[in-house]
This record gives sequence, structure tokens and C-alpha cells, in this order.
Amino acid sequence: KQEVTQIPAALSVPEGENLVLNCSFTDSAIYNLQWFRQDPGKGLTSLLLIQSSQREQTSGRLNASLDKSSGRSTLYIAASQPGDSATYLCAVPRGDSSYKLIFGSGTRLLVRP
Amino acid sequence: GAVVSQHPSWVICKSGTSVKIECRSLDFQATTMFWYRQFPKQSLMLMATSNEGSKATYEQGVEKDKFLINHASLTLSTLTVTSAHPEDSSFYICSVELGETQYFGPGTRLLVL
Repeated sequence: KQEVTQIPAALSVPEGENLVLNCSFTDSAIYNLQWFRQDPGKGLTSLLLIQSSQREQTSGRLNASLDKSSGRSTLYIAASQPGDSATYLCAVPRGDSSYKLIFGSGTRLLVRP
Repeated sequence: GAVVSQHPSWVICKSGTSVKIECRSLDFQATTMFWYRQFPKQSLMLMATSNEGSKATYEQGVEKDKFLINHASLTLSTLTVTSAHPEDSSFYICSVELGETQYFGPGTRLLVL
């Protein structure tokens, strides 16, 4: 059974710092991995999707890497800003479907001005 | 990307009443939608898959008679929480998939008194 874990559970950094969020999964046979952002009381916004054949994806100040063999993904945020404060979730498709996602518990990020 | 809306955004009801939540795909036709539930400080858990024109499929442990799903058109799925109880208080989020990316609605917060 696939399990997704995220560490740390919470992170507080001063504005301008570069930071790394971690995601691990137990079954390396994944179709892809997605990173999402969730603002308090809101839905999810897709940030990056990495295919199983890719090693990384970049979007602006965000860079996500994927190491299937070790069951790990990282989300790197460069030059963090207070507007980056949110919960970041990673998710992988369940084995029987590429559309049913299994989520990690998230990392709550606070970027202090 | 896809635009997904939900209505209402929040609802407070008395124990024993039924609550209907709507999920709409605004800019494309979705034969499949997904319903997730998120308890406070926990991650999202898939509840059921809503299939247009056919019965929904429920995840293990989710009572189909309690959480009624109707996907009567390609742009609308509804989730009805029947005889709601305080333990049903949660954040309910729907999603649609476009390509390999999932797009989520803004969520509906339900509080059962």
C-alpha cells in the first residue's frame, strides 16, 4: 500500500531564504508526482507535475526533483517571499489509477517578513 | 487549466439534516470527478469517484448511503451528506482531471452542530 510522507510538518523561515520541502513515498512504481499549494481554508493549486521518467521540473522560483529509486521528491523554493506562506502537499497516483491521488500530510510554511 | 467551482463555500447545519454540495467544471466537460475530504490538520483523503451517467465508486470505509453522489451532467457533480452528524464536519473538495493534472475546487467547509 502506497504511503506518502512529508517532512518537516511545519517550517518557518525569514524572507529571502532558499528552502527545501521533502516528500517520500513507499512504492516507487508511480506514474508521476504532483506538488500542490493550499492556502488556509482554500482548495489546492497545482504547482508542478513530474512524470516518472523525469528528474525535475521548474516553474519560476520553484524546482521539484524526483528520485524514484529512493522514493523521494523535493520542492525547492528560491528567495522565499511572505506570499509563499501556505501548506504544500505532494501527491502520487494510486497504483490502480493515475487519477486517484494519495496525498502526504503537508508542510505548513511560514515566511516571515 | 481547468476551472472548478464549488457551492456553497461553507455551510453550518444542525445534526440530522442533509447538506448538498455542488461541484462544477466551468470550462470543460468532465466525465469523472473526484470527491476528497480533509479533516483539520490532516491531508486530503479520497472519498469517491463520481462518474457521469453511472454510479459513483466509493473508497473503502466511506458509506455510500450516507454520502450520495449524483453526476447528472458533464459539468456538475453533487455530494449530499445525509443525516449529517458532528463527526461529518470537514472540508470537502472536488477535483477534475485534465490530462494528467488534477484541478481542485475551492472547497466547502461543513460544520455540523
